[in-house]
Amino acid sequence: SYELTQPPSVSVSPGQTARITCSGDALPKQYAYWYQQKPGQAPVLVIYKDSERPSGIPERFSGSSSGTTVTLTISGVQAEDEADYYCQSADSSGTYAVFGGGTQLTVL
Amino acid sequence: QVQLQESGPGLVKPSQTLSLTCTVSGGSISSGSYYWSWIRQPAGKGLEWIGRIYTSGSTNYNPSLKSRVTISVDTSKNQFSLKLSSVTAADTAVYYCAVSTVLTKAFDIWGQGTMVTVSS
Repeated sequence: SYELTQPPSVSVSPGQTARITCSGDALPKQYAYWYQQKPGQAPVLVIYKDSERPSGIPERFSGSSSGTTVTLTISGVQAEDEADYYCQSADSSGTYAVFGGGTQLTVL
Repeated sequence: QVQLQESGPGLVKPSQTLSLTCTVSGGSISSGSYYWSWIRQPAGKGLEWIGRIYTSGSTNYNPSLKSRVTISVDTSKNQFSLKLSSVTAADTAVYYCAVSTVLTKAFDIWGQGTMVTVSS
């Protein structure tokens, strides 16, 4: 079955830049999406179609894509950004949705 | 703004069928081009997509769950539902419903989630 691979954890100090990667063979063909999830809450979409930002999401959140890897970048990390982040995409045919295993972002 | 609310039993016995409903408010489930999905998350673990139903009624399911899953729509009640048969303790999780537009295919809006425990 198709898998998306994320690092389990990323740590940054406030004000620094956090980068979270997600790798998958079908990413050159399928868009990627990023979700932020805080404890006890439902996930929230922060990036769609690789690099688009929904309304209401701060500009410090950005996304990029290169080959089989997509990256979520959070510039000027704030304490409130501490959360789990999940990438999501689809298999090469676009039939099935797939989530990455999630990355815990810790703000030191 | 569309809102979603999951409902259903919080406790299901092993081998039985888990049944959940997602009620849509703030919009019609039969209007526009949307995907209506179910996603679950075991405690302390990641998200798993279960499946989706299109406004047209067609469905796609996670291959790992396909033999046990049925997603359906009740337009008269503005609801869509999940049935998962032959459950085991591994099906214990928070279950979310979510909606995507055909245009973005992102899970734009999520319900708050409902905890389902499989135990005798």
